Amino acid sequence: EAGVAQSPRYKIIEKRQSVAFWCNPISGHATLYWYQQILGQGPKLLIQFQNNGVVDDSQLPKDRFSAERLKGVDSTLKIQPAKLEDSAVYLCASSLSNTEAFFGQGTRLTVV
Amino acid sequence: GEDVEQSLFLSVREGDSSVINCTYTDSSSTYLYWYKQEPGAGLQLLTYIFSNMDMKQDQRLTVLLNKKDKHLSLRIADTQTGDSAIYFCAERIGFQKLVFGTGTRLLVSP
Repeated sequence: EAGVAQSPRYKIIEKRQSVAFWCNPISGHATLYWYQQILGQGPKLLIQFQNNGVVDDSQLPKDRFSAERLKGVDSTLKIQPAKLEDSAVYLCASSLSNTEAFFGQGTRLTVV
Repeated sequence: GEDVEQSLFLSVREGDSSVINCTYTDSSSTYLYWYKQEPGAGLQLLTYIFSNMDMKQDQRLTVLLNKKDKHLSLRIADTQTGDSAIYFCAERIGFQKLVFGTGTRLLVSP
């Protein structure tokens, strides 16, 4: 079974630029999550989808972050414009049931 | 509220047992998890326990849950250098929402 795929693995941008991350969950997984992991901290949930609907986006900074999962499969997370404090690893995860969530390797974003 | 706390660092010798502790605040947690993160990698699920259980054993891993005190622990028997990583405790609340702790860095020395 293929795992959660994310791209790119690394991205360096200047502040005020835009950036987008892509995630392809495990086939058949209805729930998809985007987490932000700042260095030295635990992952923080940004947004959770159930199929193509948003379940929880309470911690998503909506003035600059957006995410979509139009066909209920893959998803993109966008930051526009980026700030220095957005430097982090962005993790995508997917889940079939309410027991296990499987994580991708993440995209490491550096904003300079 | 949603708050998961862990100690930051644990150092053990190879062959010893490691015990990593976690406290959480949300009494409505349904499942509690332990994830492992190696440098530059994503999170790997190690084990999980349903909230109505006290203990779960899986090979070298033993999970203990004290629901009254909202305390979760992970014991790794016969710790190996390959177990060196960051370990995250997480609780599932609401509709499949996962809340993670701050992580415990385990260092295993030969």
